[in-house]
Amino acid sequence: AQRVTQPEKLLSVFKGAPVELKCNYSYSGSPELFWYVQYSRQRLQLLLRHISRESIKGFTADLNKGETSFHLKKPFAQEEDSAMYYCALSVEGTYKYIFGTGTRLKVLA
Amino acid sequence: EAGVTQSPTHLIKTRGQQATLRCSPISGHTSVYWYQQALGLGLQFLLWYDEGEERNRGNFPPRFSGRQFPNYSSELNVNALELEDSALYLCASRWTGSDTQYFGPGTRLTVL
Repeated sequence: AQRVTQPEKLLSVFKGAPVELKCNYSYSGSPELFWYVQYSRQRLQLLLRHISRESIKGFTADLNKGETSFHLKKPFAQEEDSAMYYCALSVEGTYKYIFGTGTRLKVLA
Repeated sequence: EAGVTQSPTHLIKTRGQQATLRCSPISGHTSVYWYQQALGLGLQFLLWYDEGEERNRGNFPPRFSGRQFPNYSSELNVNALELEDSALYLCASRWTGSDTQYFGPGTRLTVL
């Protein structure tokens, strides 16, 4: 079955603390994974895609095929990181996305 | 560069009516995807259009349909509206040479 799991609905951290938003997937093919972010009253926007292996706004994510995970990490959280984060899997052939249910990150001052 | 646009922003209908939602992709993008974001259900894939054809659909009844026009804009039609169709409907577009989708702001459909 094709599935993306984000186990935490809400994650609260203090400013300056490390952040890890978890994402696990179930997929029989070669996974293409993404992280999208939705700030308050804004549209869903691409944060990271695993194939690019880049760091955006201090966030990184590594694909671990053995653990079928694609966790999003940032060493020092900022208040402006507060948002809804979605992990998505692109299905081969159709490129449609299977989304996780999202994690709301709250960075406390 | 203009992003994906959707209209209307909000739509209020009553049960049994039909709703039409519109999407304009980023220039140069030929694929359009529709997703439903209902409360408590997350983002669910609805439909994929590419080069004017429906290429794939999600697990939704046939009363969800749509089309893609020659300029690659798209319409989503929902017939015989039910209360549970109340949701945010997101449109996304993709360029042929990439698997990255770019999302519009959504249309919030409320069925009374």
